Amino acid sequence: GAVVSQHPSWVICKSGTSVKIECRSLDFQATTMFWYRQFPKQSLMLMATSNEGSKATYEQGVEKDKFLINHASLTLSTLTVTSAHPEDSSFYICSSTRTRGFSNQPQHFGDGTRLSIL
Amino acid sequence: KQEVTQIPAALSVPEGENLVLNCSFTDSAIYNLQWFRQDPGKGLTSLLLIQSSQREQTSGRLNASLDKSSGRSTLYIAASQPGDSATYLCAVEGNTDKLIFGTGTRLQVFP
Repeated sequence: GAVVSQHPSWVICKSGTSVKIECRSLDFQATTMFWYRQFPKQSLMLMATSNEGSKATYEQGVEKDKFLINHASLTLSTLTVTSAHPEDSSFYICSSTRTRGFSNQPQHFGDGTRLSIL
Repeated sequence: KQEVTQIPAALSVPEGENLVLNCSFTDSAIYNLQWFRQDPGKGLTSLLLIQSSQREQTSGRLNASLDKSSGRSTLYIAASQPGDSATYLCAVEGNTDKLIFGTGTRLQVFP
């Protein structure tokens, strides 16, 4: 069964709305979670690395004030797309790994959130 | 900067064929390489993970090999089935936990 739960799976909203996406690890502690974005027919691009209890680390070109990440517990990270616009429409996917000490563990991915901004 | 490329970009084959999907990466200093499957509109399912010290991993009809020195990995799918139709992604991990993904191979297996 799924070890990472992502919610919601699909969002349609008006331009200017802020949208929150949740990513939960279900049966293990995730010190680190990752947020990716995938445009149609393209591969996954890492947006940011979310660390429990500290600020997220954003990849170059990703606006931290636009994409707010909170990782308040070892099982939950949230991504908020603030004042979303049509160009933010994309497929957002989170992933997590077990806490460090379990070497070479595969990343487990959520089922993704399809965000459509009208 | 690590770059990951997959060939072919798309592949359409009849059921029963044995397939080889290719992945190449530019920086051989990797921690591991992973192969994933992605169905349309869905997240990723991990298929195989090869540690940098390993040469190959097998799971059922899937076999993945790794040649770190040449920056290449292959995913071999034996006796392909229509249910294998999906996009296959390879990704390499460095020492930062970050995964760098390839461009993907869209596979269609028809009956």
